[in-house]
Amino acid sequence: SQQGEEDPQALSIQEGENATMNCSYKTSINNLQWYRQNSGRGLVHLILIRSNEREKHSGRLRVTLDTSKKSSSLLITASRAADTASYFCATDLGAGNMLTFGGGTRLMVKP
Amino acid sequence: DTEVTQTPKHLVMGMTNKKSLKCEQHMGHRAMYWYKQKAKKPPELMFVYSYEKLSINESVPSRFSPECPNSSLLNLHLHALQPEDSALYLCASSGQPDGYGYTFGSGTRLTVV
Repeated sequence: SQQGEEDPQALSIQEGENATMNCSYKTSINNLQWYRQNSGRGLVHLILIRSNEREKHSGRLRVTLDTSKKSSSLLITASRAADTASYFCATDLGAGNMLTFGGGTRLMVKP
Repeated sequence: DTEVTQTPKHLVMGMTNKKSLKCEQHMGHRAMYWYKQKAKKPPELMFVYSYEKLSINESVPSRFSPECPNSSLLNLHLHALQPEDSALYLCASSGQPDGYGYTFGSGTRLTVV
């Protein structure tokens, strides 16, 4: 079953613009993770934020977590054409270290 | 070695065939996973192995049979599949304790004819 919902489902922006994707989930979590997937191949782990953290940065990525609203956002700054991919949030409930993925956002960055 | 290797990359099989998917990692990760992903959908968990023992089976049909021969290898045996089983099958591993990201393989694109 799907724990998270992401919006938008699809996003198209110009190179250099910022991209923001949102994720909402239903139950309490141990941590939330963001992944990227190119062209239906393997997923790449981007960033992990724990339930007691509110914000995390990694390069051009910024992730926020609001546990009271059960939501997270991923911001990609100064986007590049190479950022074109699908982005998924995934929640870890902390029981058996099992991830459940949201529906994903398909991002297209136009050169 | 920080990779998860999956073979084969592509597989076409008939509904009466028996085939196996293989996954290998040498990162010392003790948790390994099989996910199934249909086009434009998120990955869905099938099986979890923790310390080489099956810990979670998400009500997967018996035509899918997982096996973990050792801490580095994970297999998925396929038998009498249906066309609707066509999908991308992803293997992943993660370190312990909780709170580590997964490392995914590049997947096996399976087509059942």
